[in-house]
Amino acid sequence: EPEVTQTPSHQVTQMGQEVILRCVPISNHLYFYWYRQILGQKVEFLVSFYNNEISEKSEIFDDQFSVERPDGSNFTLKIRSTKLEDSAMYFCASSGTGAFGEQFFGPGTRLTVL
Amino acid sequence: QKEVEQDPGPLSVPEGAIVSLNCTYSNSAFQYFMWYRQYSRKGPELLMYTYSSGNKEDGRFTAQVDKSSKYISLFIRDSQPSDSATYLCAMSSPSSNTGKLIFGQGTTLQVKP
Repeated sequence: EPEVTQTPSHQVTQMGQEVILRCVPISNHLYFYWYRQILGQKVEFLVSFYNNEISEKSEIFDDQFSVERPDGSNFTLKIRSTKLEDSAMYFCASSGTGAFGEQFFGPGTRLTVL
Repeated sequence: QKEVEQDPGPLSVPEGAIVSLNCTYSNSAFQYFMWYRQYSRKGPELLMYTYSSGNKEDGRFTAQVDKSSKYISLFIRDSQPSDSATYLCAMSSPSSNTGKLIFGQGTTLQVKP
């Protein structure tokens, strides 16, 4: 069964460093999302991406964040200068049946900023 | 008022019980409703997807949406220890144009053998 994959599963970084989180959405899906979940809190929307551009971003998604689809299979989230409060689980999701279709989530990357 | 509210629990039931999980919401524009299951430190797994009001059944799971009350439910029949997880409700509105999901806090369920 097709699934969303994410790498790495766990990333530890120093405050101020850049990190890139990688996702491989389900093949032939066209709508891509990043969400994050701080420990013990809700899953929060960060950004949606369609047709090679951001279609919506949340207040959390400031200038330190960027997304890219560098090729036909990968979808990345970059945090330029990490802060302690960026420590969270980051989930990638994709949808193939339209913007309001079922969203399938990856296993997540746990980011720890020291 | 929070957009989506969900009792965090924990909810503990004996094996075989019928479980009822609920969410309320404030935004009447929500049209798409989902239930996800999340095991500890794992990604959300889609269980049920419904559009607008009504019921949907899939095996032991039944999802109900009551838009007039802004209330959605997930019922689990014949609950099993493997159902022990956190259950997240999520919803989206056509007004966002992107399908971004707004999640509830999640309800932690424990099914005891």
